[in-house]
Amino acid sequence: GAGVSQSPSNKVTEKGKDVELRCDPISGHTALYWYRQSLGQGLEFLIYFQGNSAPDKSGLPSDRFSAERTGGSVSTLTIQRTQQEDSAVYLCASRPGRGSRETQYFGPGTRLLVL
Amino acid sequence: AQKITQTQPGMFVQEKEAVTLDCTYDTSDPSYGLFWYKQPSSGEMIFLIYQGSYDQQNATEGRYSLNFQKARKSANLVISASQLGDSAMYFCAMRGLGAGNMLTFGGGTRLMVKP
Repeated sequence: GAGVSQSPSNKVTEKGKDVELRCDPISGHTALYWYRQSLGQGLEFLIYFQGNSAPDKSGLPSDRFSAERTGGSVSTLTIQRTQQEDSAVYLCASRPGRGSRETQYFGPGTRLLVL
Repeated sequence: AQKITQTQPGMFVQEKEAVTLDCTYDTSDPSYGLFWYKQPSSGEMIFLIYQGSYDQQNATEGRYSLNFQKARKSANLVISASQLGDSAMYFCAMRGLGAGNMLTFGGGTRLMVKP
C-alpha cells in the first residue's frame, strides 16, 4: 500500500516568510509525528497527534511553529516568519495506533532552505 | 531523559563481509523499545528492526540482527553479507513513555560498503 507522503519535497523561501509543509500519513494510522533533521541538532521530535486528541507540542522550538491535523488524517506544519536556523529536513511519520511495539513509518521529508 | 549514543560517525566494510554498528542508550523508563533505521541518500527513513526491552530473544530480520545486551545498555546492529546497497546512514532510536512513544535518535553512523 501507499506509504507516508510529504509535500513539497523541497522548499526555498526568504527569511521572514511563512511556509506550510504537508503530510499524508498511511491510511488508517491514527498516530502522526513531525520530526526535524538538521546538521547541528540531528533528529528532533517536534509534535505528536493521536486521533482527535489534543496534540503533544512539547518538541516545538518556538511559537513560530504550529501544526494541525484535519479529520484525523492529513497534517500541516506551519512555520511563521522563517529564520535561517529553520533550514532543515522536516520528516513526518505515522503509526497504526497506541500499541507500544508499533513501528513509526517515515515519509521522504521536506527539505526547507531559508535564505 | 533518554539518550542514544552512536560512537562511530563513519565506517567502511568490504562487500559480503559482516559489520556491527554500535548503539548505547540511557533511560530511566522501565519499558522501552529500540529501533534501527536506514537513511539512504534519498533521505527517507527506512525501518529495519525492532527490539523490545522485555523481549527474551535478540531480534532478527533477514540480514539484520540486533545484539541486545540489556545490562550493558547496548543495542548493536549486525548486518551480515554486506551489499553495495547497504551504503547509507544508520540511526539507532529509542521509544520511551513520553509524547506518544516518540523516538529519540542517535547521531547516526555512515556506512560505506566497498566493492
